[in-house]
Amino acid sequence: GAGVSQSPSNKVTEKGKDVELRCDPISGHTALYWYRQRLGQGLEFLIYFQGNSAPDKSGLPSDRFSAERTGESVSTLTIQRTQQEDSAVYLCASSSNSGPYGYTFGSGTRLTVV
Amino acid sequence: GENVEQHPSTLSVQEGDSAVIKCTYSDSASNYFPWYKQELGKGPQLIIDIRSNVGEKKDQRIAVTLNKTAKHFSLHITETQPEDSAVYFCAAGEAGTALIFGKGTTLSVSS
Repeated sequence: GAGVSQSPSNKVTEKGKDVELRCDPISGHTALYWYRQRLGQGLEFLIYFQGNSAPDKSGLPSDRFSAERTGESVSTLTIQRTQQEDSAVYLCASSSNSGPYGYTFGSGTRLTVV
Repeated sequence: GENVEQHPSTLSVQEGDSAVIKCTYSDSASNYFPWYKQELGKGPQLIIDIRSNVGEKKDQRIAVTLNKTAKHFSLHITETQPEDSAVYFCAAGEAGTALIFGKGTTLSVSS
């Protein structure tokens, strides 16, 4: 597609439920990144995929967070047993090389845990 | 790991004035310094970037300067317009890693 697509755009979930967020990067982009943005805050790095290399998971805040990527295409970020502090906008970005040059961001998924 | 500090957190200017946002970084291995603009409800958009082999880069009304010795870089917007109002983020990183972002600056341009 023309840009990075994220779905859903909004998600409201009950505390304790699992959620899955999807990112469809720009075709041909080998690098894919997930960030979390709490209200009024900066972008907090979560995880980085580069081609078929092992992902850099150093930003994942707890073992409730995990992410997968199929080859160089779609990625899903899963949050298990959601907590209220997980409420945030989750942003995905992709870039065409080993990065971090020229990120293109999606519009994000706004997650609200009630 | 890398740590990026950004100042100020908010900035209000009159239309036509200049705006300057400053960032410092900690990791001397970082060699790429982009700036992103985020409008309400949208993802951040790259507006200008600079690599460590260059001290300054300009694109129309925006410019970025880099001082590698002092580990700081700045965004300069001249002749500000109301449509420049947004949140601006600086970031730092190097090849093979993810960008680390500053906490953002909310710029308000009043007409």
